[in-house]
Amino acid sequence: AIQMTQSPSSLSASVGDRVTITCRASQGILNYLGWYQQKPGKAPELLISAASGLQSGVPSRFSGSGSGTDFTLTISSLQPEDFATYYCLQDYNYPWTFGQGTKVEIK
Amino acid sequence: QVQLVQSGAEVKKPGASVKVSCKASGYTFTAYAIHWVRQAPGQSLEWMGWINPGNVNTKYSQKFQGRVTITTDTSATTAYMELVSLRSEDTAVYYCARYYGSGFDPWGQGTLVTVSA
Repeated sequence: AIQMTQSPSSLSASVGDRVTITCRASQGILNYLGWYQQKPGKAPELLISAASGLQSGVPSRFSGSGSGTDFTLTISSLQPEDFATYYCLQDYNYPWTFGQGTKVEIK
Repeated sequence: QVQLVQSGAEVKKPGASVKVSCKASGYTFTAYAIHWVRQAPGQSLEWMGWINPGNVNTKYSQKFQGRVTITTDTSATTAYMELVSLRSEDTAVYYCARYYGSGFDPWGQGTLVTVSA
């Protein structure tokens, strides 16, 4: 199975900060990578698909980039509602696999 | 609006089975695959498998092969995930999600399955 390694596993940041989360695949996955946001007690929500495709309704401060094995989720100016856990998911090869998550906390 | 509504929480004993439902509305049920993902307490997400309601083709993670069955009732626009031979490690929130475009959207609200003697 393809291993998805996210870093960092957690971070503390302030409102207005620029935040970058990375996800590395153990083998090339082209652009078959999505990013999800999960708040406590809630189901995940899709932010980015196909590595860089912003989903309808998702604020433009979120962006994704990368291809092959290295991917990045960037929040350009962190807002209070962005404090959550973020997961990457590869849907290139079975079994589809998630990263271990990055928890974004308030500094 | 497009939504997936799952059945309620379950408590099961080790060795039992559980069947979770996922009722879809707001879109053509047979047009998009339904996937199942689980999340153990405090852990990441784990993909289990999917079904194409249009032709009932399925694909399961090898980890769950032989223990999980995903089915649909197209007349009820409902998908089901049955997991047998439950053990304590199966305690988790189970989610269904529609695969739309290139991602899971939307997700069901989740169903907590607790396995305890």
